[in-house]
Amino acid sequence: NAGVTQTPKFRVLKTGQSMTLLCAQDMNHEYMYWYRQDPGMGLRLIHYSVGEGTTAKGEVPDGYNVSRLKKQNFLLGLESAAPSQTSVYFCASSYGGQGTIYGYTFGSGTRLTVV
Amino acid sequence: AQKITQTQPGMFVQEKEAVTLDCTYDTSDPSYGLFWYKQPSSGEMIFLIYQGSYDQQNATEGRYSLNFQKARKSANLVISASQLGDSAMYFCAMREGRYGGATNKLIFGTGTLLAVQP
Repeated sequence: NAGVTQTPKFRVLKTGQSMTLLCAQDMNHEYMYWYRQDPGMGLRLIHYSVGEGTTAKGEVPDGYNVSRLKKQNFLLGLESAAPSQTSVYFCASSYGGQGTIYGYTFGSGTRLTVV
Repeated sequence: AQKITQTQPGMFVQEKEAVTLDCTYDTSDPSYGLFWYKQPSSGEMIFLIYQGSYDQQNATEGRYSLNFQKARKSANLVISASQLGDSAMYFCAMREGRYGGATNKLIFGTGTLLAVQP
């Protein structure tokens, strides 16, 4: 029972490099989310998806792109990494509109450092 | 716009004592849900407790209870009989709509770091 799996768990990038973070869930959840966590700022929503093939911007979308080609996967891309994108990234998933009261299932996080 | 405020960056509590972590919220939607999550030093996000805006009673889950004061728009987490393992970051979160509406988006507060002292 894997739940939500994020890869990689750690990554160091040089400024200007690109990378993709992968989130995979095996719970048949409709909705998926990418958050970033920074000290003193809590978790802030980057992008989210309410179904396969759909994505939408969250609170802090600049510098990121996402894709949801398959229901179980939600990819977060950084085209040209910047030091300001150093953060811990969390993926989460949930049921659709009539969802569980339990909110989200979270992945274990990806710690990204951009130097 | 909805907003969650946690005004306590850090808290200390003695082992076996109770502690209250504050959370206030702002929303214009009469239907909403409030959540508390725990994040230990290992980093994972652990769901603790949920309160719906129409729930008549305060939520409880073991040693966790939620002191829900709707008129004051507060949803404080009470941890009874603190244990060393309760040392962690605690986040309050809110979503609009009883079941999250069309997006089920959660917004989070900035968190409170709790340290339990022996």
